[in-house]
Amino acid sequence: EVQLVESGGGLVKPGGSLRLSCAASGFTFSGYTMIWVRQAPGKGLEWVSSISSSSSYIYYADSVKGRFTISRDNAENALYLQMTSLRAEDTAVYYCARDIVLHYWGQGTLVTVSS
Amino acid sequence: DIEMTQSPSSLSASVGDRVTITCRSSQSISTYLTWYQQKPGKAPKVLIYAASSLQSGVPSRFSGSGSGTDFTLTISSLQPEDFATYYCQHSYSSLLSFGGGTKVEIK
Repeated sequence: EVQLVESGGGLVKPGGSLRLSCAASGFTFSGYTMIWVRQAPGKGLEWVSSISSSSSYIYYADSVKGRFTISRDNAENALYLQMTSLRAEDTAVYYCARDIVLHYWGQGTLVTVSS
Repeated sequence: DIEMTQSPSSLSASVGDRVTITCRSSQSISTYLTWYQQKPGKAPKVLIYAASSLQSGVPSRFSGSGSGTDFTLTISSLQPEDFATYYCQHSYSSLLSFGGGTKVEIK
């Protein structure tokens, strides 16, 4: 069974940093592009970042470019999102998902940016 | 970047109604279009991929059509469990994007 479990969310002050993790199991992690998507409270879905299976190709939404860094560890079946210079508008549930047609999602982890 | 525009943003319908949601892309995306359903507090789930392919396990009352820039999700006979928010998403380029969502509410 495919499982994606996010962790690392929490309350952080504006300008602060946070690192999200996504633990993957039930599939060959190293064979798939992985995605971060976020959803602000009461709002729609926003693609944040993608990383190819071997980390050769990395893409970011303009809203996070230069502040967020996506990475992965295929040996540990783990996906990461390092978030810096956080803003109030980054407050959202962050989901990790598998592949560019997002058949599998985690349960999400809430990031709240507030003073 | 490719922008995805959904309409309407919300609709009210009754059980048994036929419901149609549209999604338009700012440039041609062939059939690289996925439809998701999301219920409150839950992650989205795939209903339709490749514009018209029904995801395994999804009821046949859901269908998708379109190619190029114009796409449609149809629910042939709305059921109580279908009240949710629906999103389209393109995967034509590496910079993915979602439509703004359509909330389907009970009339």
